Amino acid sequence: QSVLTQPPSVSGAPGQRVTISCTGSSSNIGAGYDVHWYQQLPGTAPKLLIYGNSNRPSGVPDRFSGSKSGTSASLAITGLQAEDEADYYCQSYDSSLSVGVFGGGTKLTVL
Amino acid sequence: QVQLVQSGAEVKKPGASVKVSCKASGYTFTSYGISWVRQAPGQGLEWMGWISAYNGNTNYAQKLQGRVTMTTDTSTSTAYMELRSLRSDDTAVYYCARARLLAPMDVWGKGTTVTVSS
Repeated sequence: QSVLTQPPSVSGAPGQRVTISCTGSSSNIGAGYDVHWYQQLPGTAPKLLIYGNSNRPSGVPDRFSGSKSGTSASLAITGLQAEDEADYYCQSYDSSLSVGVFGGGTKLTVL
Repeated sequence: QVQLVQSGAEVKKPGASVKVSCKASGYTFTSYGISWVRQAPGQGLEWMGWISAYNGNTNYAQKLQGRVTMTTDTSTSTAYMELRSLRSDDTAVYYCARARLLAPMDVWGKGTTVTVSS
């Protein structure tokens, strides 16, 4: 049971827009801690995709965007491409546990 | 370029210990910390803990307290993660990642597979 809750899977056709939610609580996202998103392609290490709720590292296409409101955050991917098929994880900090926490991960399937 | 190079795969028996290394290059080692994250087969990411390369301060996941020790060697820009009293459910890929406390993990190692089996 992850501290942050993500849907296990989402899917979309090429060119479409999908969103992945990440729901936390008042001790993590709701407490004001930043949310970061990671993309993990099959058989590889995770890669930082979005940091500080809505910022893209250099090299990440602007098709990827993040937002945060209250105790939740979202990752949006527009213009879906086949190479976007991967697992996506949200991550934040939990003050009651005093540890970093991940969501359970969401598998994105491009139809 | 900034990179983290991890040690090779390990096979251990239950009850043994494992020590994984993570050698940093391309940046000032003591300006960041190192987080450790593991991923059991077919499962999600699990945050294990964090160590400051500046002063050695650590922050461990509660479920691993007492079994895990994270250290750094600033002379070689290398971080280490030792896990003791290994169990079968410790079988996982172990990743190190560069991060300041509360900050995102922006550079990741390729991972070290640890298999615990009798």
